[in-house]
Amino acid sequence: EDQVTQSPEALRLQEGESSSLNCSYTVSGLRGLFWYRQDPGKGPEFLFTLYSAGEEKEKERLKATLTKKESFLHITAPKPEDSATYLCAVQGSDRAAGNKLTFGGGTRVLVKP
Amino acid sequence: ETGVTQTPRHLVMGMTNKKSLKCEQHLGHNAMYWYKQSAKKPLELMFVYSLEERVENNSVPSRFSPECPNSSHLFLHLHTLQPEDSALYLCASSRGWGTDTQYFGPGTRLTVL
Repeated sequence: EDQVTQSPEALRLQEGESSSLNCSYTVSGLRGLFWYRQDPGKGPEFLFTLYSAGEEKEKERLKATLTKKESFLHITAPKPEDSATYLCAVQGSDRAAGNKLTFGGGTRVLVKP
Repeated sequence: ETGVTQTPRHLVMGMTNKKSLKCEQHLGHNAMYWYKQSAKKPLELMFVYSLEERVENNSVPSRFSPECPNSSHLFLHLHTLQPEDSALYLCASSRGWGTDTQYFGPGTRLTVL
């Protein structure tokens, strides 16, 4: 069974203080690893998809990286508007499970001005 | 803003009520999903629908009944729910079955009294 563990559960940052979020996973044949951002009371907003170890993707102050066992979401010089819960999910190669995403518990990020 | 809409955004119901949640996607996608997000638990996949009418029920209680009349609309019919069913119910869609990125709606916050 696919499993995803995110750490830390919560992260408090000062504006401009860079940091990294971790997503550790076990999956039977990784088809894709996904990062989403979720604001309170809203649905997850898609950020990135990573497919293979060594791949990196960037969007504004966010950069996602992938190894064979984990992914990192780096937040560079964060601003208060980066405050949100960041979710990691994996999709395995079991096609009988369809397009099932297995999610981690998320990391709540609070950026203080 | 996403191309997936959900109504109502908030719903309070008694244990003996019958209600329905509605989801509509405007992205031209062919697969739609229902997820449940409970407090302090990761998102859980409930149902999957695709053009091929494949339905995946991940051991969801029969008091939840999905309906997908076409590729743009998805319903979740609720009856005789329990207080532990209170959660954020999220709808998502993707381009096709087995295709990667899922896009989420804003969710329906359900409270069962």
